[in-house]
Amino acid sequence: DQQVKQNSPSLSVQEGRISILNCDYTNSMFDYFLWYKKYPAEGPTFLISISSIKDKNEDGRFTVFLNKSAKHLSLHIVPSQPGDSAVYFCAASSIYNNNDMRFGAGTRLTVKP
Amino acid sequence: EAGVAQSPRYKIIEKRQSVAFWCNPISGHATLYWYQQILGQGPKLLIQFQNNGVVDDSQLPKDRFSAERLKGVDSTLKIQPAKLEDSAVYLCASSQAGSGPGELFFGEGSRLTVL
Repeated sequence: DQQVKQNSPSLSVQEGRISILNCDYTNSMFDYFLWYKKYPAEGPTFLISISSIKDKNEDGRFTVFLNKSAKHLSLHIVPSQPGDSAVYFCAASSIYNNNDMRFGAGTRLTVKP
Repeated sequence: EAGVAQSPRYKIIEKRQSVAFWCNPISGHATLYWYQQILGQGPKLLIQFQNNGVVDDSQLPKDRFSAERLKGVDSTLKIQPAKLEDSAVYLCASSQAGSGPGELFFGEGSRLTVL
């Protein structure tokens, strides 16, 4: 069951421009959302998170937006840098389900110099 | 602070053979997870431990997969017998979160190829 979906397998942007990665979820019980970044041959690393009581969380160049009514979240990277090139996973968890974390399939971001 | 340690990094076996993966979480992290990541897909939870007790193993194929965390610290994941479709990266993660949400810290993963 794909409760977390990332419909764009890849995204390519120019250095300095905005990258927008999207994620949709189906389970309304999810109350915590995270983005992870993964480089080849490494494990995913945590990037940014947002609780369901908020609609925006910002950390430097990274901002996550949550639209609960649409069951949609997005990650904005501004400005994009070549070092941001990686696979980005959206994840969601629910305190009602032991906080087990469900992941999307990932979006491969390529930032061109 | 040392990260999540996993071994081996790579393993190639033939179908019907067995394999075991080891994970040592970050010191003090009570919760430990095993995820399976098949190429082109996101990580899929296999089993979650809280200390040495199983919290969720609903997605673990129990006819061939087993996992234990005997002393509430390190953990092993075993596959016996392996099938071709078990080829994947097996990720171990740990978390400080006990009753609340939080980020997971992942190891580098163990890549399994079943021939």
